[in-house]
Amino acid sequence: GENVEQHPSTLSVQEGDSAVIKCTYSDSASNYFPWYKQELGKGPQLIIDIRSNVGEKKDQRIAVTLNKTAKHFSLHITETQPEDSAVYFCAASLTSSSNTGKLIFGQGTTLQVKP
Amino acid sequence: DAGVIQSPRHEVTEMGQEVTLRCKPISGHDYLFWYRQTMMRGLELLIYFNNNVPIDDSGMPEDRFSAKMPNASFSTLKIQPSEPRDSAVYFCASSLNRVTEAFFGQGTRLTVV
Repeated sequence: GENVEQHPSTLSVQEGDSAVIKCTYSDSASNYFPWYKQELGKGPQLIIDIRSNVGEKKDQRIAVTLNKTAKHFSLHITETQPEDSAVYFCAASLTSSSNTGKLIFGQGTTLQVKP
Repeated sequence: DAGVIQSPRHEVTEMGQEVTLRCKPISGHDYLFWYRQTMMRGLELLIYFNNNVPIDDSGMPEDRFSAKMPNASFSTLKIQPSEPRDSAVYFCASSLNRVTEAFFGQGTRLTVV
């Protein structure tokens, strides 16, 4: 089955700097890669996702890149702000006509943005 | 829509007792997922349903765990008997179909003493 590894487990940056979180996956058939943000006491919330037919996607200060050959994908946050502090999870799944798209999550990265 | 609603938010119970966690998915969503979150194991998928039918329960840790979805608007996750190692945050999530975003509830923090 699919296995997702996420690094680093903790990340501390100064406000305004960039933050990068990386994930690798094992199943080359996986084709959907979402990123979730989890704030304290809340459930994970989708912030951006990418499908295997594209290599990069951007939404304001957040971008995700995908390298299918190397089976890794990354989250990039630019101009970080204190409110970006949270736990970030990557995930991978295979969605097809015969597969329901079960998400397998990475272990999470605790991002701290220092003012 | 109010989002995915879980109850209770917190549950403290004694070892050996039965625990029932509840979830109301977003109306119209066909898929419902139960996850468990712990520091050691992160977010683990326990079971998911499609149109109220259990599709994959391979993540359910033991026979002490069971889940039901009697209708499109309600699901339960039951642990009987509960053990201290079951202490975790349990999340319910729902999605419109297989290729869309999964929306998570606020979670139930379970403590078994």
